[in-house]
Amino acid sequence: GAVVSQHPSWVICKSGTSVKIECRSLDFQATTMFWYRQFPKQSLMLMATSNEGSKATYEQGVEKDKFLINHASLTLSTLTVTSAHPEDSSFYICSAFTSAQETQYFGPGTRLLVL
Amino acid sequence: GESVGLHLPTLSVQEGDNSIINCAYSNSASDYFIWYKQESGKGPQFIIDIRSNMDKRQGQRVTVLLNKTVKHLSLQIAATQPGDSAVYFCAEITAGNQFYFGTGTSLTVIP
Repeated sequence: GAVVSQHPSWVICKSGTSVKIECRSLDFQATTMFWYRQFPKQSLMLMATSNEGSKATYEQGVEKDKFLINHASLTLSTLTVTSAHPEDSSFYICSAFTSAQETQYFGPGTRLLVL
Repeated sequence: GESVGLHLPTLSVQEGDNSIINCAYSNSASDYFIWYKQESGKGPQFIIDIRSNMDKRQGQRVTVLLNKTVKHLSLQIAATQPGDSAVYFCAEITAGNQFYFGTGTSLTVIP
């Protein structure tokens, strides 16, 4: 199956710093990438939909100035958590959508801990 | 895609028994369905899919059943193993490629 990578896997940072998470589709081109947030023992919560070359579409309640998304190419999307605070600590997962297979393939996730 | 951040229902089964995980979907226009498996600390992985023109599809130890009349999807895992312990999500996909995820079910296999 298609492979999606995320980097970094783990981030521990001080409150107030910004953290960038990369999501790459390794063996296919993804016209759309999704960013999810997941709290322990809970389901995925969609944060935003990112289309290559255009602005991301954010879900209600997600601050676009807080969670900056850049989809620079068909294989790379980045999520930057700006001025991170402890409440931003979570598991962030990206997925890449391939229209050829009409399927989302998920990255392994990035665990963010803000102290 | 959409999802709801709710606490997950749980299912415990004895090793070797069969597991059945259920999912209700809401959109009659959904024509494609996927089951994902998410192990602890990892991203979801594609397990099996089914299109709306089918009512059953089998994979290796897994079977997906689709009942369009009642908008119900199930995942059956045969001879459940400890490695099957994970959270399982269903996803319904519309013709416009909108993904809607179920809340997920946490499966625990008891050795």
